[in-house]
Amino acid sequence: KQEVTQIPAALSVPEGENLVLNCSFTDSAIYNLQWFRQDPGKGLTSLLLIQSSQREQTSGRLNASLDKSSGRSTLYIAASQPGDSATYLCAVLDAGNMLTFGGGTRLMVKP
Amino acid sequence: DTAVSQTPKYLVTQMGNDKSIKCEQNLGHDTMYWYKQDSKKFLKIMFSYNNKELIINETVPNRFSPKSPDKAHLNLHINSLELGDSAVYFCASSQEPRVGGTQYFGPGTRLTVL
Repeated sequence: KQEVTQIPAALSVPEGENLVLNCSFTDSAIYNLQWFRQDPGKGLTSLLLIQSSQREQTSGRLNASLDKSSGRSTLYIAASQPGDSATYLCAVLDAGNMLTFGGGTRLMVKP
Repeated sequence: DTAVSQTPKYLVTQMGNDKSIKCEQNLGHDTMYWYKQDSKKFLKIMFSYNNKELIINETVPNRFSPKSPDKAHLNLHINSLELGDSAVYFCASSQEPRVGGTQYFGPGTRLTVL
C-alpha cells in the first residue's frame, strides 16, 4: 500500500528566502508525481506534474525534482513571497490509477 | 468559465439522511474523481471513474456511491449519513491520468452531519 509523507508539516519563513519542501513515497512503481497548492477553504491547484521518466519540472519560481528509485521528491520555491502562503501537497499516481496524497506542508511566508 | 464545479458548497443534514453532491466538468476530460478531506486536512481518494471502469478505494463504505449520467458529470450519493461523514468532499477531473493528465479540482463541498 502506497504511503506518502511530507516534511516538514509546517514551515514559517521571512519573505525572500529560498525554501525546500520534501515528499517521500514508499512504492517507487509510480506513473507520475504532482505538487498541488491549497489555500484555506479552497480546492487544490496543480502546480507541477513530473512523469516517472522525468527528473524535474520548472514553472516560474517553482522547481520540482523526482528521484523515483529512492522514493523522493522536492519542491523548491525561490525568493518566497507572502502570496506563497498556503498548504502544499504532493501526490503520486500508482498502478491502481489513484492519487495518494501526503499530509501536506503548511507554509507561512512573513512580510 | 468554472472548469470543475460542485453543488452545493455547504450541506448540513441530520444523521440517517440520504444526500447527493453534484459535480460537473466542462474540460472534456474522460476521468473524474471524488476525494474526501477530513478534519485533519488529510486528502483521500474515494473513487476514480471513466466510461470504462469504476475504481473504488477499498476503505470507502458502500453507503457511498458515484453516479455518472454522462461524461461531464459524476455525482456522489451518500445513504444513511453518519457523524463521521462530516468532511469536505472534492470532485476532480483529468485526461487519462497514466499518460500525465493533470487533475483539476472543484471548490469542494463542506458536509456537516448533525
